[in-house]
Amino acid sequence: SQQGEEDPQALSIQEGENATMNCSYKTSINNLQWYRQNSGRGLVHLILIRSNEREKHSGRLRVTLDTSKKSSSLLITASRAADTASYFCATAPPGGNTPLVFGKGTRLSVIA
Amino acid sequence: KAGVTQTPRYLIKTRGQQVTLSCSPISGHRSVSWYQQTPGQGLQFLFEYFSETQRNKGNFPGRFSGRQFSNSRSEMNVSTLELGDSALYLCASIPAPARSYTDTQYFGPGTRLTVL
Repeated sequence: SQQGEEDPQALSIQEGENATMNCSYKTSINNLQWYRQNSGRGLVHLILIRSNEREKHSGRLRVTLDTSKKSSSLLITASRAADTASYFCATAPPGGNTPLVFGKGTRLSVIA
Repeated sequence: KAGVTQTPRYLIKTRGQQVTLSCSPISGHRSVSWYQQTPGQGLQFLFEYFSETQRNKGNFPGRFSGRQFSNSRSEMNVSTLELGDSALYLCASIPAPARSYTDTQYFGPGTRLTVL
């Protein structure tokens, strides 16, 4: 069963704008990870944020985590057409012995 | 380092047939996970192998099985294919099996299976 739920399901923006995607989950976690998938290909890991972290940056990506609200957000700044993809959050339960649980993703379209 | 490779990339089968998919993890990675991705259900965990042993299994029928070889390469098999098995099958390798699911997973490009 899916634990992460991304919101919105689809997002369309102009090149240069910022894109924000949200992820909510239900149970406690060890960490939360964001992945990108281009056109039904493999997933590419973007960023991992641990449960004791609140914010993390990687290039144009900014991830926040609020464990009290069981939610995370992914911000892509100054978006490019190449950012067009589906973005998934995945939660890792505590203990490390249970598989990642993926949400259904947000489909981002960046229009040039 | 070469990435995760999956073969074949595309496959068309008919109902009732069986299929075997292959995954070679990144060199040095000993853990391989398999996922099924469909538009309706999203990414669902199938099973994970570490050192030739299945460590975890998702909620899939017994028609789905897998194995791992001593070189860490893994195969999954689906017997008696059904239309609903049409999906993208992804495998992922993990560098630190001792803390398996808390680490980054490296995905292959997937095998697109179509069942007619």
